[in-house]
Formats: sequence, C-alpha cells, structure tokens
Amino acid sequence: SAVISQKPSRDICQRGTSLTIQCQVDSQVTMMFWYRQQPGQSLTLIATANQGSEATYESGFVIDKFPISRPNLTFSTLTVSNMSPEDSSIYLCSARDTNSPLHFGNGTRLTVT
Amino acid sequence: DAKTTQPTSMDCAEGRAANLPCNHSTISGNEYVYWYRQIHSQGPQYIIHGLKNNETNEMASLIITEDRKSSTLILPHATLRDTAVYYCIVRGYKLSFGAGTTVTVRA
Repeated sequence: SAVISQKPSRDICQRGTSLTIQCQVDSQVTMMFWYRQQPGQSLTLIATANQGSEATYESGFVIDKFPISRPNLTFSTLTVSNMSPEDSSIYLCSARDTNSPLHFGNGTRLTVT
Repeated sequence: DAKTTQPTSMDCAEGRAANLPCNHSTISGNEYVYWYRQIHSQGPQYIIHGLKNNETNEMASLIITEDRKSSTLILPHATLRDTAVYYCIVRGYKLSFGAGTTVTVRA
C-alpha cells in the first residue's frame, strides 16, 4: 500500500499569512485528494488534485483560498491562503491507485492565531 | 455516494469480538463498502472493503447482508489499541466520511 508523507506535521501561523502543505507518495498513484478535519469533526473533502490540470473543488471550497498543485503522479501541495482562526484544522492528504483502497497521511495540524 | 448510518458510540471488552453495524440502504449495485478507522492524532487507516461477498483480512472481517443494505465489521479479539473512530463508507468515485462510531475498548 502507498505510504504518504506530509510536511509540516504541524504549524502555528499568524492570521493573514499563507501555508503550503506538501504531500509525497512513495509510488505513482492515479488519484490524490485533500481533506480537512475541523476540531472534533469528521473529514470533509476539499478537492481532488488532478495531475497536470486544475484541481476539482467540492462545494464550499474555492481555488483562491485553497490553491492545489499536482505536478506529477507522486506529489501534491495544498496552500491555505490568507488564513484566519477558522482555518485551524487538520489537513489530510490521501491517495490511491486504480482498484486499490484510499490511503492517508498523518495530516498537518494547523493552528492560526 | 450512498449515505451510511452508524451508532454514535460503542463500548467493547478487551479480548472479546467487537461487532460494528452500518446501514447503507441506498447503496447502488456497483458501490463498495469500505471501513476505515482513525486513532487519535493519526490519519484514517484502511481496514477492509467488500462488494457483496464477506471478506476477511488480518485486521477484521466484513459481513454484508444479501440485499447489501447493511454490513457489520467484526474485530475478532478487540485490544485497547483498537480504540478509535470507525467509519463505514460507501464509495463511488470518492470517499465521503460521516460521523463514524467511537469505539472504546475497555480492560
């Protein structure tokens, strides 16, 4: 199964700044996704990271706030832009290959002050 | 994706089997049932999945009813390390997580 590494594992940021989270998979995968988990809540899908094209965002999430890149089949980044305290969450990268289960990284715990 | 219904919480005794139910009455014919768990401060961990046959792996067994409207995840010998939130998900193109079942294994 794919091993997914995220960096940073946690960060404390000031409001108004941006943070870019990196996700590295140890093998080529067809699909990568980004999720958000707010305190005490379940996971919410932010977007599908598409290799070589713009990400596909879920309702309530927009590219200006959460720009995503996926330059190849093993790497993706999520940027949380112009942060506010409401963006304090765990951000999780996930990936799967065709006909295989979805696997997750351990997440990036973001605190915005 | 079809919606799932799970109990909010369950207590289990260490060493006993834990049976976690899930209802997915609107599942369609080509949708798989997936189970994940999330231990505190970690990302979700894949457990098992199935389409219509019962499945077993080193972690758990999955029993799917004949009409596919419900399923049960069985942890054969629960340990304290199995304490987690367990998510039952019916998957189409992508995974949508519900609230899950908080399982507490007690000594």
